[in-house]
Amino acid sequence: SAVISQKPSRDICQRGTSLTIQCQVDSQVTMMFWYRQQPGQSLTLIATANQGSEATYESGFVIDKFPISRPNLTFSTLTVSNMSPEDSSIYLCSVGRTGAYNEQFFGPGTRLTVL
Amino acid sequence: GESVGLHLPTLSVQEGDNSIINCAYSNSASDYFIWYKQESGKGPQFIIDIRSNMDKRQGQRVTVLLNKTVKHLSLQIAATQPGDSAVYFCAETSGSRLTFGEGTQLTVNP
Repeated sequence: SAVISQKPSRDICQRGTSLTIQCQVDSQVTMMFWYRQQPGQSLTLIATANQGSEATYESGFVIDKFPISRPNLTFSTLTVSNMSPEDSSIYLCSVGRTGAYNEQFFGPGTRLTVL
Repeated sequence: GESVGLHLPTLSVQEGDNSIINCAYSNSASDYFIWYKQESGKGPQFIIDIRSNMDKRQGQRVTVLLNKTVKHLSLQIAATQPGDSAVYFCAETSGSRLTFGEGTQLTVNP
């Protein structure tokens, strides 16, 4: 399994600002995913980040709010834009292989609090 | 404003007992079913998965059972240990996404 790190591990931000979360993997991976986990709840997929193409967003999530970059096979960023308290969540990246969506490995998460 | 989180279903067991965590699903077209363990402050950790054409799979101290007739998935943990205390999520894949179910908070009492 891949070793995945996220930065920052946690942050407290003011309403209306933006935060960029980084996800770094120790090996090249084809698929990277971003999830949101609201307090006390399960994980919800935000988008799939593919290297060399635009991210694919799930229903309810838009690029203007959650822009994603995937410049190479080991790195991705998720930006939470124009934040509000409702964006307070844990944001997690995961990695996997094309066609093997059952074999995803997750980073430690970024705990975001918006005041 | 104040945010209110949902209360997860909970399961409390004595150390050494067997634990059974259940999950219902609705998508008949799922390819795989997966169990994840999430400890406090960490990301989910893969435990075991089962393909949709199987009904049982065993790992080290864990067994997953799949009942497609009633769309039910269970995770059995043998000889539960304090280190097993965590939130357990079931998940399923269909197409190109992994969809998580509701979690269960497992507490192991010494």
